[in-house]
Amino acid sequence: DAKTTQPPSMDCAEGRAANLPCNHSTISGNEYVYWYRQIHSQGPQYIIHGLKNNETNEMASLIITEDRKSSTLILPHATLRDTAVYYCIVRADFGNEKLTFGTGTRLTIIP
Amino acid sequence: GAGVSQSPRYKVAKRGQDVALRCDPISGHVSLFWYQQALGQGPEFLTYFQNEAQLDKSGLPSDRFFAERPEGSVSTLKIQRTQQEDSAVYLCASSLGTSGRAEETQYFGPGTRLLVL
Repeated sequence: DAKTTQPPSMDCAEGRAANLPCNHSTISGNEYVYWYRQIHSQGPQYIIHGLKNNETNEMASLIITEDRKSSTLILPHATLRDTAVYYCIVRADFGNEKLTFGTGTRLTIIP
Repeated sequence: GAGVSQSPRYKVAKRGQDVALRCDPISGHVSLFWYQQALGQGPEFLTYFQNEAQLDKSGLPSDRFFAERPEGSVSTLKIQRTQQEDSAVYLCASSLGTSGRAEETQYFGPGTRLLVL
């Protein structure tokens, strides 16, 4: 799996949009971008994933650049419960089951 | 519906003791994964099952670590002769299918926190 680079920490004011960047400059054409988050003392929670197109679900939006070398996870209206470590993962399609986590971004939502 | 469950949630062992950690995946999920998470680090892959078959055990750190899933549902991770460096959170995850497609989402349990004294 390609490696990802994320800032170690970020703060965001409650109610504002949180934008979490991720660089994956060596991503291959068949690799998906996945985002998970881990709230303190819990297991990782799936947020969203995408290949080429931007994606949106009830939790977040994922914006992938045209060259696919970077992406941004957007939490549109951050709440205190969004405080967590956010992991950006690239994962090959077929034959590569495991997730390779980095150290992620620790997002703190400020009241 | 019920998610992935793990037991015990916390385990304290004396160095040299054997421990067994249990994972109950989501019903009907074919794939099951074990990860180890050291303090302040992201989870690291240990092993992967498809039904009862252990298809990848490349992440197991030593031969003291053993995992099984004999009936293709519940899985047990066993650590023999525990050492202090085994202290970590052990996470179990399951996913629905067998295609290996990257689109198959893994759902994680809460983890077992192991402390070896």
